Amino acid sequence: ETGVTQTPRHLVMGMTNKKSLKCEQHLGHNAMYWYKQSAKKPLELMFVYSLEERVENNSVPSRFSPECPNSSHLFLHLHTLQPEDSALYLCASSQDTGTGSGANVLTFGAGSRLTVL
Amino acid sequence: SQQGEEDPQALSIQEGENATMNCSYKTSINNLQWYRQNSGRGLVHLILIRSNEREKHSGRLRVTLDTSKKSSSLLITASRAADTASYFCATDPGYSTLTFGKGTMLLVSP
Repeated sequence: ETGVTQTPRHLVMGMTNKKSLKCEQHLGHNAMYWYKQSAKKPLELMFVYSLEERVENNSVPSRFSPECPNSSHLFLHLHTLQPEDSALYLCASSQDTGTGSGANVLTFGAGSRLTVL
Repeated sequence: SQQGEEDPQALSIQEGENATMNCSYKTSINNLQWYRQNSGRGLVHLILIRSNEREKHSGRLRVTLDTSKKSSSLLITASRAADTASYFCATDPGYSTLTFGKGTMLLVSP
């Protein structure tokens, strides 16, 4: 987990609130990711950014809005969420997205535990 | 889907015993990786094995890969209570992002 910092670690919000999750990496990586982890489900890839450009968006509802202002920071803006959106949201980074360049090893943050009431 | 599937879903052993977890996948890979997750925390990369490798060691970890059977195993020898965690395999096709399985939950009792 060293090198990728996520804040807040815990967030409780109502369905009408607007909040943001923040992720920061100081590893010099070019790619950053948002994953959703729900109980008894595989990790769900939400978004991928490479050099600040979104390169993958896996049919995520528009109530989740990512932002990558630079290669070190990644945000996930949340609005009008549903209770089923409660989960652990994991940020990760890697040297690049691995497309055609061989091994793609991810470094994860500790996660943000989101509860939607 | 190329998703890795770990087996068993849960494993409970005593300290000092060996723990073996298996991963099966469906399509060709560039490499396969194993990650560990302590409860409620992020995943930590443990070991990577490339498609042209059959076995790899790192400390008490031993990973095997059988590309003909599309399967991998992770062996943790002489387990400790601190090894209690969930373990995930992730497949890397080399042309897109990793795909993770549901994980194996390992409980090591003192």
